[in-house]
Amino acid sequence: EDQVTQSPEALRLQEGESSSLNCSYTVSGLRGLFWYRQDPGKGPEFLFTLYSAGEEKEKERLKATLTKKESFLHITAPKPEDSATYLCAVQALDSSYKLIFGSGTRLLVRP
Amino acid sequence: DGGITQSPKYLFRKEGQNVTLSCEQNLNHDAMYWYRQDPGQGLRLIYYSQIVNDFQKGDIAEGYSVSREKKESFPLTVTSAQKNPTAFYLCASSPPSQGIYEQFFGPGTRLTVL
Repeated sequence: EDQVTQSPEALRLQEGESSSLNCSYTVSGLRGLFWYRQDPGKGPEFLFTLYSAGEEKEKERLKATLTKKESFLHITAPKPEDSATYLCAVQALDSSYKLIFGSGTRLLVRP
Repeated sequence: DGGITQSPKYLFRKEGQNVTLSCEQNLNHDAMYWYRQDPGQGLRLIYYSQIVNDFQKGDIAEGYSVSREKKESFPLTVTSAQKNPTAFYLCASSPPSQGIYEQFFGPGTRLTVL
């Protein structure tokens, strides 16, 4: 069964304290892996798409990487405005349009 | 501005009532989706539509219905048959692609059953 697991469930950081969020996946062939940011009471905001192992993408303080079994979202020198829930989703090769989402990591960055 | 709009932002329903959630997009996207989000859980797919006048059930379609009469619109009806409808509902759309379906989300509707 296709599955996505995110860890940790929650993470508290001090401003400037770098860390990583993990997304482990089990799919019958990966078509794409997606990262989203979600603020409380709002819809997810698209961040990155990763297609193949070894690929990396960056946006401001965020960098997403991909291996054959997992993806990491690295947050460098975070600021309080980076506080949000980060969602990971995968699309399998044999899937038409369907994304499988993890339950997310709630990130709190303290000033 | 291009985007996805959902209305209303908050919706209260009495048990036994049907309610319809609106989703409109002006991004010229072909595919549209409805998800349900519950605390501590990932997004779960209710229905999706790849083209006008066609839609498919997702993982949790029971108690829900949809229509796709226009490319821009994909309303979701939560029927009285849905046993636990209180949740945050998210609409999404994705552009034509070569198989990678990046989905873009609306702001959501929070439905509460009284």
